[in-house]
Amino acid sequence: LQLVESGGGLVKPGGSLRLSCAASGSSITDAWMSWVRLAPGTGLEWVGRMKSQRDGGTTDYAAPVKGRFTISRDDSKNTLYLQMNSLKSEDTAVYYCTTNGFYCGSDCSPYFDYWGQGTLVTVSS
Amino acid sequence: EIVLTQSPATLSLSPGERATLSCRASQSISSYLAWYQRKPGQAPRLLIYDASNRATGIPARFSGSGSGADFTLTITSLEPEDFAVYYCQQRSNWPPMYTFGQGTRLEIK
Repeated sequence: LQLVESGGGLVKPGGSLRLSCAASGSSITDAWMSWVRLAPGTGLEWVGRMKSQRDGGTTDYAAPVKGRFTISRDDSKNTLYLQMNSLKSEDTAVYYCTTNGFYCGSDCSPYFDYWGQGTLVTVSS
Repeated sequence: EIVLTQSPATLSLSPGERATLSCRASQSISSYLAWYQRKPGQAPRLLIYDASNRATGIPARFSGSGSGADFTLTITSLEPEDFAVYYCQQRSNWPPMYTFGQGTRLEIK
């Protein structure tokens, strides 16, 4: 499975941007998918997750982006999206698309296993 | 919200030495902990899941241990390609969320 993000760029505060994550090599239909970002000088931060349609297709978001960002998916195109509205300077980061693969020990839990190379979003006037 | 604290922030070692990285959770997280490696310009890579299980293709020199609130990533006999930033990560069931530690930079001494 390969993931390729696109759609990043320079946007003014208050603006919007939509990121795409195109998967190839394998279907993401049954995969839970997440966006994770890496801001300059800081560490990794989970942005949000969308379950597979089979598991309800529900979404969850980190507090800093809740109400502003929306994750969606088009399984027919094997693509995940991140719609970002009301962007702030603190949203400046490299945004990674990642799969939440399930790994089973005593039970099965999701971990971030496949990652794209990331796309840079810069929010600045 | 569970907070993960990694130490040290920076670790300076030479190739061939042993690296010990720590991750402490603000409350017990059982064994739900992962470790990731990130190199400049590259995507992060899953190394360890469920605190102590190596992901596919990860060399045996990487090992994880711990449970509850204290976890350790050990790299025996450092290779030049191991110098990178390492993050621990946990998951909360409610509210559903994932959090990372702030990272440990492993640099060549």
